Amino acid sequence: EAEVAQSPRYKITEKSQAVAFWCDPISGHATLYWYRQILGQGPELLVQFQDESVVDDSQLPKDRFSAERLKGVDSTLKIQPAELGDSAMYLCASSLPGASYNEQFFGPGTRLTVL
Amino acid sequence: SQQGEEDPQALSIQEGENATMNCSYKTSINNLQWYRQNSGRGLVHLILIRSNEREKHSGRLRVTLDTSKKSSSLLITASRAADTASYFCATASSGTYKYIFGTGTRLKVLA
Repeated sequence: EAEVAQSPRYKITEKSQAVAFWCDPISGHATLYWYRQILGQGPELLVQFQDESVVDDSQLPKDRFSAERLKGVDSTLKIQPAELGDSAMYLCASSLPGASYNEQFFGPGTRLTVL
Repeated sequence: SQQGEEDPQALSIQEGENATMNCSYKTSINNLQWYRQNSGRGLVHLILIRSNEREKHSGRLRVTLDTSKKSSSLLITASRAADTASYFCATASSGTYKYIFGTGTRLKVLA
C-alpha cells in the first residue's frame, strides 16, 4: 500500500541551528501539506502546495521557515534558525487534486526537539 | 488557530462500551472529516461527511453532522483496546480547500 514517506523520524538540534525535513508524497497526489503539531494539540497547517505552487502559506513563519516542492513531487521544509518554540511534530500529508472532498494521507511525522 | 473543538478532551471506557466524542466548529463548511492518531504517529483518515449529509456509517463508526448547530459527533460502537488513540475533526470552510483541525479527544479503552 502506498504511503507518504518522511525523514528523518527524529531530529534533535540546538537553537540557532538549521534543520530540514523531507517528504515524499503518494505517487500521483498533486496536493501536499506540511503541518506542525504541538504536543496535546491538533495539527496546524503551515503550507499547502498544488503541484509546485504554493496555495496557502499564511501560517508559515516566513522569517525562519521555508518550503519548496521544485518538481511538484517531493518537498523540503526548512527552519533557520531553529528556536526553542519550534519543538513539535512536523507532519506531511498528500491528497488527490480537488482536496476539499478527498482524504489526506499522512506520513509518520518528524519529531523535532530544539535544545 | 483551531476551528474545531472536540469534547470531551479525554475519555476512558471499558472494552465493549460505546465511545462518543463531539466536535464544534465556527464557520460554514464544505465537509467535515474525522481522523485517528495513535501516539507519536501520523493521522489516519476515518470518515468524511459532506455538508448536505446528516449521518454516515463505516463499520463500527457512526458520524452525524448538524450544520444548524455547527457540530458533529463520532460514535465508536463496541470499542476495542486497539481504538485507544486521539481523534480529531477537521473542517474545510466553504469556498476553501484548507482544513483546520480541532483540539482532539484522547480516548483510552481499557481491556
